[in-house]
Amino acid sequence: DSGVTQTPKHLITATGQRVTLRCSPRSGDLSVYWYQQSLDQGLQFLIQYYNGEERAKGNILERFSAQQFPDLHSELNLSSLELGDSALYFCASSLTPRTANYGYTFGSGTRLTVV
Amino acid sequence: DAKTTQPNSMESNEEEPVHLPCNHSTISGTDYIHWYRQLPSQGPEYVIHGLTSNVNNRMASLAIAEDRKSSTLILHRATLRDAAVYYCIPFQTGANNLFFGTGTRLTVIP
Repeated sequence: DSGVTQTPKHLITATGQRVTLRCSPRSGDLSVYWYQQSLDQGLQFLIQYYNGEERAKGNILERFSAQQFPDLHSELNLSSLELGDSALYFCASSLTPRTANYGYTFGSGTRLTVV
Repeated sequence: DAKTTQPNSMESNEEEPVHLPCNHSTISGTDYIHWYRQLPSQGPEYVIHGLTSNVNNRMASLAIAEDRKSSTLILHRATLRDAAVYYCIPFQTGANNLFFGTGTRLTVIP
């Protein structure tokens, strides 16, 4: 157990639907990151939050959004789902952002299948 | 971001040492060198990181070249559980995220 909790572990949904993925960071970590991993794209950074505020955006589609709540858990919302959104979604946390002398802790991911 | 070059794949016999190389010739002076690994069906896992000096921890050792243009992750005795994709990532202070390349897929042969 890495200390980063992601739910659900698996999700199967139909095209056009909307889903919410949840992440609880490791205790004490203030920064949360979301990554997408599909077979042909590798690990792609989506978005980062620090202490409730968005800090950086990567290759995140407009159909996707995220937020970090006062208790520091984060949710990634995926809407108007397409077949190509099927992927593993990982959440990671770190003590602070923009400090390269700390490692990231990753969760075990949510496997999303869009049918 | 500094670019990295890693072998696509490597093999090692169980209980033998493994040296995983990484070239990062465009690294800047303030970039730390991070290594992560991803076991099958799991999230990436932090292995080790360093700036200039060689580093050791319970998982591995990191040897950094004097000019910092390359580094080597050393697993002292490979086990079957070490079979994973290993990512070498130059990480700049002030950057907002880790950039994962394609990594090296390590196969451990019993």
